Amino acid sequence: SQTIHQWPATLVQPVGSPLSLECTVEGTSNPNLYWYRQAAGRGLQLLFYSVGIGQISSEVPQNLSASRPQDRQFILSSKKLLLSDSGFYLCAWSVLDRAEQYFGPGTRLTVT
Amino acid sequence: QKEVEQNSGPLSVPEGAIASLNCTYSDRVSQSFFWYRQYSGKSPELIMSIYSNGDKEDGRFTAQLNKASQYVSLLIRDSQPSDSATYLCAVNANTGTASKLTFGTGTRLQVTL
Repeated sequence: SQTIHQWPATLVQPVGSPLSLECTVEGTSNPNLYWYRQAAGRGLQLLFYSVGIGQISSEVPQNLSASRPQDRQFILSSKKLLLSDSGFYLCAWSVLDRAEQYFGPGTRLTVT
Repeated sequence: QKEVEQNSGPLSVPEGAIASLNCTYSDRVSQSFFWYRQYSGKSPELIMSIYSNGDKEDGRFTAQLNKASQYVSLLIRDSQPSDSATYLCAVNANTGTASKLTFGTGTRLQVTL
């Protein structure tokens, strides 16, 4: 069966510090991968998605970036965090040609 | 801009009652519709998918879709306290290789004893 991991689970970072969040999927090959952010009391905002290694599409212009160095690994990064980057970061995967997405446990980021 | 609208709630129902959660969407070409359950502090969990007009039942859950009215709903029969959560409606309209979902902000359901 498929499993998705995210780490770290929680993170507290000062403004201006870098960020690296990692997501890995097990049990499937060539998944579509997604990064979402959920701010407190708000809906899920799609940040990036990837249909293959090295292929990244950005949905929202911001100071975040994403990379997919391996088939089942998706990384979210920032060079300098802003207060507004605080939120619940969720990685999700889907099978090619299927619309259902399955979420990882998430990383709760607080920027202070 | 594609929009998915949900009443934020809270929707309060007594244990054993039917909970009815509603969602409307703006993009007429939407093809796939999903309901996710999100417990406080946890990630969303997919509970129902529906693709064609009508009803789809899975245990105590029934999803209803009306594409002409651009309306999708979720019924929860015999509501239990463990059903207390935020329910997110999601809609997929694209036909490309990536599934891009648009989410509503969710309806918070409270099942009271």
